[in-house]
Amino acid sequence: GAGVSQSPRYKVAKRGQDVALRCDPISGHVSLFWYQQALGQGPEFLTYFQNEAQLDKSGLPSDRFFAERPEGSVSTLKIQRTQQEDSAVYLCASSPGTSPGNEQFFGPGTRLTVL
Amino acid sequence: AQSVTQLGSHVSVSEGALVLLRCNYSSSVPPYLFWYVQYPNQGLQLLLKYTSAATLVKGINGFEAEFKKSETSFHLTKPSAHMSDAAEYFCAVSGGGSYIPTFGRGTSLIVHP
Repeated sequence: GAGVSQSPRYKVAKRGQDVALRCDPISGHVSLFWYQQALGQGPEFLTYFQNEAQLDKSGLPSDRFFAERPEGSVSTLKIQRTQQEDSAVYLCASSPGTSPGNEQFFGPGTRLTVL
Repeated sequence: AQSVTQLGSHVSVSEGALVLLRCNYSSSVPPYLFWYVQYPNQGLQLLLKYTSAATLVKGINGFEAEFKKSETSFHLTKPSAHMSDAAEYFCAVSGGGSYIPTFGRGTSLIVHP
């Protein structure tokens, strides 16, 4: 079956531009997570959705970062006025339930480079 | 608060040799523990997870991990390394009222022919 997909796979933005990153989770998955992965590091939590509700956005690094999941399926992570420090791989993961013991299914990520 | 420490950012082994990747965790309550593998330009894929059913957990591709509460460890092992095992490995912990996993910094496994 189809896994988690993300688009675009690669994005180059000039400093100050706005970008939008899309995540298509596995159909029926309740939970959706966004992570930021810097080079040589592990994924760092950004935000969590349970269906359409954004239950936790404590990891968003600034108010330039915004995420939504309006119909409880597809999610978009938006970064306004991009800065060089935003350069990273942005990973999306979905999970069938809400238990912390559930496996997360990851997409391939979007590599954002801000020039 | 929970945290994960992966000792060694790089581990190099010969093909056929034992693989040992170390993970120590900190958690105030019994945790859920995970090992994920990441191949270049791909997302993370679950290798195995501990959810208190058994302390020795077997995963995919011949990997296994043992939960040792007294040592707060969850080391990943494989008896015989294969070239295809070369990848980045991440240990993660969740639980204690938090559905958000904390990941370690990762260990890059290098396999020499």
